[in-house]
Amino acid sequence: DSGVTQTPKHLITATGQRVTLRCSPRSGDLSVYWYQQSLDQGLQFLIQYYNGEERAKGNILERFSAQQFPDLHSELNLSSLELGDSALYFCASSASPGPGTEAFFGQGTRLTVV
Amino acid sequence: QQPVQSPQAVILREGEDAVINCSSSKALYSVHWYRQKHGEAPVFLMILLKGGEQKGHEKISASFNEKKQQSSLYLTASQLSYSGTYFCGTEGPGADGLTFGKGTHLIIQP
Repeated sequence: DSGVTQTPKHLITATGQRVTLRCSPRSGDLSVYWYQQSLDQGLQFLIQYYNGEERAKGNILERFSAQQFPDLHSELNLSSLELGDSALYFCASSASPGPGTEAFFGQGTRLTVV
Repeated sequence: QQPVQSPQAVILREGEDAVINCSSSKALYSVHWYRQKHGEAPVFLMILLKGGEQKGHEKISASFNEKKQQSSLYLTASQLSYSGTYFCGTEGPGADGLTFGKGTHLIIQP
């Protein structure tokens, strides 16, 4: 158990809908990362927050947004969902924003868009 | 740019050794290694930093050639529990998240 908690574990929703994925980092970690893993794209970095502020942006679509709250938990919002958004979404946390800092992954949320 | 991992897959007998390579075309600050079992979260194994510092599991060794932007993960006396997909994640000096390779599938047979 990495100490990073993600909810829900599974999510099935229809195209066009909006969902929110939640992540609680390890105790003491200030930095949160979001990754998407799919069969064709592999494991891709989406976005990073550190102590409530956006730190780095990767391949995140405009339909997706995230935020980190004062209690350090983070939410990833996915809207206007398409079939291609079906994937495993991982959250990871680290003590500092890096670089060169170990990041620990949560168990992921499996999103299925039908 | 995505780092290139090799081999794509390897099958070993328990007790045999394996080397997994990771190569990048851009200047790196660090290389991170993870193991992932099917449907589970990637598990942190090791991080290698520019300058020679390493952090990670005692039983796993790795190297980082800064000049060539290459890293290798060494798995010795493999155990059944080593099976899974190994990913290297590379990081530049800008702390802009990890760029992962496509993974190396490792199967350990009894």
